[in-house]
Amino acid sequence: KQEVTQIPAALSVPEGENLVLNCSFTDSAIYNLQWFRQDPGKGLTSLLLIQSSQREQTSGRLNASLDKSSGRSTLYIAASQPGDSATYLCAGGSSNTGKLIFGQGTTLQVKP
Amino acid sequence: DGGITQSPKYLFRKEGQNVTLSCEQNLNHDAMYWYRQDPGQGLRLIYYSQIVNDFQKGDIAEGYSVSREKKESFPLTVTSAQKNPTAFYLCASSKGAGLSYNEQFFGPGTRLTVL
Repeated sequence: KQEVTQIPAALSVPEGENLVLNCSFTDSAIYNLQWFRQDPGKGLTSLLLIQSSQREQTSGRLNASLDKSSGRSTLYIAASQPGDSATYLCAGGSSNTGKLIFGQGTTLQVKP
Repeated sequence: DGGITQSPKYLFRKEGQNVTLSCEQNLNHDAMYWYRQDPGQGLRLIYYSQIVNDFQKGDIAEGYSVSREKKESFPLTVTSAQKNPTAFYLCASSKGAGLSYNEQFFGPGTRLTVL
């Protein structure tokens, strides 16, 4: 059964720091990869989608990469800001079922 | 503005009651999904629908029911058979259910509490 692990579970950094969030899969049969942001008590906001034929995607200060061979994805946040404080979830589209499989998230706090 | 709406934002249920959570989208998406989120856990799929008048069970369908009579709407009923319904419920949609169209967009969620 496909499982998704996100490391670390929580992260606290000072404002301005660059940081990396990690996402790994037990089974490399991932078709695509989506990163989300969730603020407390809110729904998920889609940040980046890496399609099957892509290795990375960029949006502003965010860069996400996908290495299918190792079953890993990273989300890089440059020059972090207090407004980046939220929980970040990754979800892989299973090649076998087509469904999204979610990690438990990394809760980020950026201190001013 | 295109998007997904869920109502109500907060819902309280007494023991033995059925309650229905609303989900509407105006994105013209074919596929819709219901997830449950519990503290410290990832999202778990309850039901999904790839097209009108069709739906499939997800990983935790017991105690829940859905309907898909219109493309825009995918209501979820939490029945009295669901033993631990207190959770945050999220509705999502995607253009299609195929792998090339499965980018999902989420509503704001409904928090259900059993009294």
